[in-house]
Amino acid sequence: EDQVTQSPEALRLQEGESSSLNCSYTVSGLRGLFWYRQDPGKGPEFLFTLYSAGEEKEKERLKATLTKKESFLHITAPKPEDSATYLCAAHLVNDYKLSFGAGTTVTVRA
Amino acid sequence: DTAVSQTPKYLVTQMGNDKSIKCEQNLGHDTMYWYKQDSKKFLKIMFSYNNKELIINETVPNRFSPKSPDKAHLNLHINSLELGDSAVYFCASNDLSGGAYEQYFGPGTRLTVT
Repeated sequence: EDQVTQSPEALRLQEGESSSLNCSYTVSGLRGLFWYRQDPGKGPEFLFTLYSAGEEKEKERLKATLTKKESFLHITAPKPEDSATYLCAAHLVNDYKLSFGAGTTVTVRA
Repeated sequence: DTAVSQTPKYLVTQMGNDKSIKCEQNLGHDTMYWYKQDSKKFLKIMFSYNNKELIINETVPNRFSPKSPDKAHLNLHINSLELGDSAVYFCASNDLSGGAYEQYFGPGTRLTVT
């Protein structure tokens, strides 16, 4: 069965303390892997799409990478405004929908 | 310039009532989606329309009925509301014909059934 799993569920960081979030997927035929950020009370905000193993995308303090079985979202020197829930989603070949993981809630303390 | 908008933002109603949620996108996308996010924050796809044609219809009670009057609008009607329907409902859109699979989400509608 196709599955997307994120770890850890929650991550508490000190400002400036870099860390990584994991998204592992057991799917057949990955078309793309998506990362979203969700703030409390708001809709998910699109961050990155990764299409092939070895691909990397960067935006400010965030960098997403993709292997054949998992994706990582690296947060470098985070700031309190990086506090949010980060969601990953897999888009399968021959399918229209995104299958989301349960998310990692990141809290960055000043 | 709101890209994907939903109304209402909050909806409080009693069990057994019928309610509708509306969604509009001004991105020129051809595909729209409804998701349900439960209390554990898990996002689950419910329906999708591509150019007014239903393309995703997940296992959802038939009390839920989507309607797409045109490709910029997707509404969700819920009959005989139950306590378990309480959740946040998100609308999203993307441009499948353009090969852009990333979805853009609305702000959500928090439905509370009492």
